[in-house]
Amino acid sequence: DARVTQTPRHKVTEMGQEVTMRCQPILGHNTVFWYRQTMMQGLELLAYFRNRAPLDDSGMPKDRFSAEMPDATLATLKIQPSEPRDSAVYFCASGPGTGNTIYFGEGSWLTVV
Amino acid sequence: GENVEQHPSTLSVQEGDSAVIKCTYSDSASNYFPWYKQELGKRPQLIIDIRSNVGEKKDQRIAVTLNKTAKHFSLHITETQPEDSAVYFCAAVIAGNMLTFGGGTRLMVKP
Repeated sequence: DARVTQTPRHKVTEMGQEVTMRCQPILGHNTVFWYRQTMMQGLELLAYFRNRAPLDDSGMPKDRFSAEMPDATLATLKIQPSEPRDSAVYFCASGPGTGNTIYFGEGSWLTVV
Repeated sequence: GENVEQHPSTLSVQEGDSAVIKCTYSDSASNYFPWYKQELGKRPQLIIDIRSNVGEKKDQRIAVTLNKTAKHFSLHITETQPEDSAVYFCAAVIAGNMLTFGGGTRLMVKP
């Protein structure tokens, strides 16, 4: 059963520390998304990659957030420096191509104290 | 770009009743409409989807209808059960583009 894999599942860190979240998309999927969700609210799109190229990161605070895909099996989302308002669940999702559904990972639950 | 609005934001029904969640989209080029269910503490998971060449699709107690002319689509859940309690998200996709999600509906089924 192919799944999107995210690490870490849970992270508690102090304000000012760097946080890196990792995502392994489903093998063969060429679109990757990062979403942020707070308190079971809506899904806020942070970044979108197709064939490893960033297509849309307009929703991402550029001063502290960065997203990359070093290779087809790894996507990263980095926050530096982290702030308490960054506390949220960060979901990675992948899809087989545009115009199709996407599949979510279990999420990385981040708490910044 | 595409804009998707979802209503209501919260919905409370008695067990056994039906629940209906509605979404509207702005871009007539959208041609794929998935629905996701997110249980508390879990990830969103696809429960049903519909493409623009189909008007209705059913899967047991859930169904989705699409009105392309009016640019709206709806999720229908019949004979609701407590395990249907969750947040439901609709989405619209334009071919060659990414999903745009609605704001979500929190469904509560009271036993």
